[in-house]
Amino acid sequence: SQTIHQWPATLVQPVGSPLSLECTVEGTSNPNLYWYRQAAGRGLQLLFYSVGIGQISSEVPQNLSASRPQDRQFILSSKKLLLSDSGFYLCAWRMRVLGTGELFFGEGSRLTVL
Amino acid sequence: GNSVTQMEGPVTLSEEAFLTINCTYTATGYPSLFWYVQYPGEGLQLLLKATKADDKGSNKGFEATYRKETTSFHLEKGSVQVSDSAVYFCALRGGSSNTGKLIFGQGTTLQVKP
Repeated sequence: SQTIHQWPATLVQPVGSPLSLECTVEGTSNPNLYWYRQAAGRGLQLLFYSVGIGQISSEVPQNLSASRPQDRQFILSSKKLLLSDSGFYLCAWRMRVLGTGELFFGEGSRLTVL
Repeated sequence: GNSVTQMEGPVTLSEEAFLTINCTYTATGYPSLFWYVQYPGEGLQLLLKATKADDKGSNKGFEATYRKETTSFHLEKGSVQVSDSAVYFCALRGGSSNTGKLIFGQGTTLQVKP
């Protein structure tokens, strides 16, 4: 069966520090991968998605970047965090070829920028 | 562009009450529709889905019917339990989307009191 893991689960970082959140999917190949952010009391905003290694699409201009160095690895990064980067970050995957389109989410990474 | 609108929360109900959470959408073509649930501190779990008009998705006593004429996908449950307390998200995937990304509503918090 397929699983998705995110880490770290919780992170407290000072303003101006770098960020690296990692997401790994197991049990499938060639997945589409996604990073969403959920700000406090708000819905989910799609940040990035990837349909293959090295292929990243950005949905909104921001202080963050994403990379996909391996087929089942998706990394969210920042060189200098802002207060507004605080939130709950969710990684998700879906089958590219089969399936009915639902996304499968990781457990989330809660980032607090102070 | 595609969008999803959910009723604002929080929705507070007593145990065994009837639940309706409204969801309407704007989309071109024939989108797929989803309901996700998020329990406190966790990621999102798929609750149910419908991929074409008049389909009814159901799971764990929850139901939602894809109504193209009213562009709606309202979530219902006949008798809620305290364990149903969570945030519920309505989402759509565009019918012509080859990226698989989901557009989410703002989420509706449900609180069920014993």
